[in-house]
Amino acid sequence: EDQVTQSPEALRLQEGESSSLNCSYTVSGLRGLFWYRQDPGKGPEFLFTLYSAGEEKEKERLKATLTKKESFLHITAPKPEDSATYLCAVQGSNDYKLSFGAGTTVTVRA
Amino acid sequence: DAGITQSPRHKVTETGTPVTLRCHQTENHRYMYWYRQDPGHGLRLIHYSYGVKDTDKGEVSDGYSVSRSKTEDFLLTLESATSSQTSVYFCAISVGGEQETQYFGPGTRLLVL
Repeated sequence: EDQVTQSPEALRLQEGESSSLNCSYTVSGLRGLFWYRQDPGKGPEFLFTLYSAGEEKEKERLKATLTKKESFLHITAPKPEDSATYLCAVQGSNDYKLSFGAGTTVTVRA
Repeated sequence: DAGITQSPRHKVTETGTPVTLRCHQTENHRYMYWYRQDPGHGLRLIHYSYGVKDTDKGEVSDGYSVSRSKTEDFLLTLESATSSQTSVYFCAISVGGEQETQYFGPGTRLLVL
């Protein structure tokens, strides 16, 4: 069974204070690892898909990286608008569903 | 925005009553999904559909049924609601195929008293 563990559960940052979120996973044949952002009261918003170890993707202040066992979401010089819950999910190579972690809630103070 | 709407957005109901949630998409995507989100559990798949009248169970399907009579609509029914089904329900579609990226709707918040 696919498993996804995210850490920390919550992260409080000062504006401009860079940090990283961790997503550890076990899956039978990784088809893709997905990062989503979720604001309170809204649905998850797609950020990135990573397909193979060594791959990196960037979007504004966010950078996602992937190894064979974990993924990191780096937030560089965060702003208050980066405050959200970040969700990690994996999909196996012969699977249709996503297996999600519980998320990391990031709060960025001005 | 993947053109997904969910209705109702909020609902309060009583234990034992039937409840139907609707997911509507405007772009004729073949694959649609229902997830529930609970604190500490992340999102978990309830049911999914791979075409009109074609559905299958997910990991937490007990107490739920689904129907898809039109490409654009995917209905989730709680036959007899229980307090354990209090949750936030999200519909998703995958663009291109069942192993493509999934995009989520805005969610339905359900409270079962």
